[in-house]
Amino acid sequence: DSGVTQTPKHLITATGQRVTLRCSPRSGDLSVYWYQQSLDQGLQFLIQYYNGEERAKGNILERFSAQQFPDLHSELNLSSLELGDSALYFCASSVAQTGASGTDTQYFGPGTRLTVL
Amino acid sequence: LAKTTQPISMDSYEGQEVNITCSHNNIATNDYITWYQQFPSQGPRFIIQGYKTKVTNEVASLFIPADRKSSTLSLPRVSLSDTAVYYCLVGDSDTGGFKTIFGAGTRLFVKA
Repeated sequence: DSGVTQTPKHLITATGQRVTLRCSPRSGDLSVYWYQQSLDQGLQFLIQYYNGEERAKGNILERFSAQQFPDLHSELNLSSLELGDSALYFCASSVAQTGASGTDTQYFGPGTRLTVL
Repeated sequence: LAKTTQPISMDSYEGQEVNITCSHNNIATNDYITWYQQFPSQGPRFIIQGYKTKVTNEVASLFIPADRKSSTLSLPRVSLSDTAVYYCLVGDSDTGGFKTIFGAGTRLFVKA
């Protein structure tokens, strides 16, 4: 157990709909990262927040948005869903804001499996 | 522009030592190299991290040559449960290292 929690575990919805994925970081971690992993694909970095502020942005679609709240939990909002958005969405947390370049280790949650029908 | 290059897949047998090499030609001076392991439908898990020379922990060793343009993850005496995808990770120097790019990873299959 990494200490990172994600809800819900599974989500099934229809095209055109909007969903919200939630992530609670490990106690003491200030950074939250969101990743998308489609079937048999690598991890695509979406966005990172540090202490409530956006820190880094990957290839996140305009239909997707995220935020980190004062209690440090984060939400990823996906709207106008398309079939291709079906994927595993992982949240990770770390202590610092240095991302991949420093010694900061990312701890991953169990993921939310999104299925768009 | 790919930041890291790894073999797509590797096969091994139980009890063998497995070495997975990652190329990161454009690694920045202050970048560390981190390896993660991922099982199907699970989030990646940290294995080992290093800056230069050799690092060893209870599960793996990491060898980094002086020029730091590559690194080799060494898994001693693998078992069936080591079948997973292994990712090599460095910072994205174009963005100051903050954007995390995992790359395709190496799919290791351990056979009995």
